[in-house]
Amino acid sequence: NAGVTQTPKFRILKIGQSMTLQCTQDMNHNYMYWYRQDPGMGLKLIYYSVGAGITDKGEVPNGYNVSRSTTEDFPLRLELAAPSQTSVYFCASSGQGAQGDTQYFGPGTRLTVL
Amino acid sequence: AQSVSQHNHHVILSEAASLELGCNYSYGGTVNLFWYVQYPGQHLQLLLKYFSGDPLVKGIKGFEAEFIKSKFSFNLRKPSVQWSDTAEYFCAVTTGGYNKLIFGAGTRLAVHP
Repeated sequence: NAGVTQTPKFRILKIGQSMTLQCTQDMNHNYMYWYRQDPGMGLKLIYYSVGAGITDKGEVPNGYNVSRSTTEDFPLRLELAAPSQTSVYFCASSGQGAQGDTQYFGPGTRLTVL
Repeated sequence: AQSVSQHNHHVILSEAASLELGCNYSYGGTVNLFWYVQYPGQHLQLLLKYFSGDPLVKGIKGFEAEFIKSKFSFNLRKPSVQWSDTAEYFCAVTTGGYNKLIFGAGTRLAVHP
């Protein structure tokens, strides 16, 4: 199993540009999550999904959108990039979303908005 | 809102020293607690977790953590660190539905040979 994969690894955007961060998992997990990691701040939840077609906002959803058309894929969309979105983005998945389930993380995407 | 506090942002130790990283959470109900580690250039991986039973939890690579409910704490310990333990360590908690993690700010550990 590849686990959770993310593309791209690095990206530089100009203010106002848009892009999609890709996330794929091959563990047949129902639950998927997007986090952002800012220096000294830990990780914060952006969006999550409990299954195909079902998504919900996390703690910091503004400026982002998600979709979940398949079990495997959970892309994160930035419509109008802003410098405040410069961060490292992690995708994660877990089996059933039960309390205590381990979340498995992807390698991250480092995004810089200039 | 629930929160997680990690007391030390940076820790520097020599090899063979003992390690204890503090973690406190703010939720008074049932919690599930995790320690994740991020080695340089790698993604986060689970070190250990607590969700019920014995409050002393053993994880990978000789790490352990103790859940003390009365103190809202879940401190991470290792009796003798190695240079390969250099990494960033995150404490996290889930309290409600959907297994959403709330992370602490992280502790950067540097172990010198």
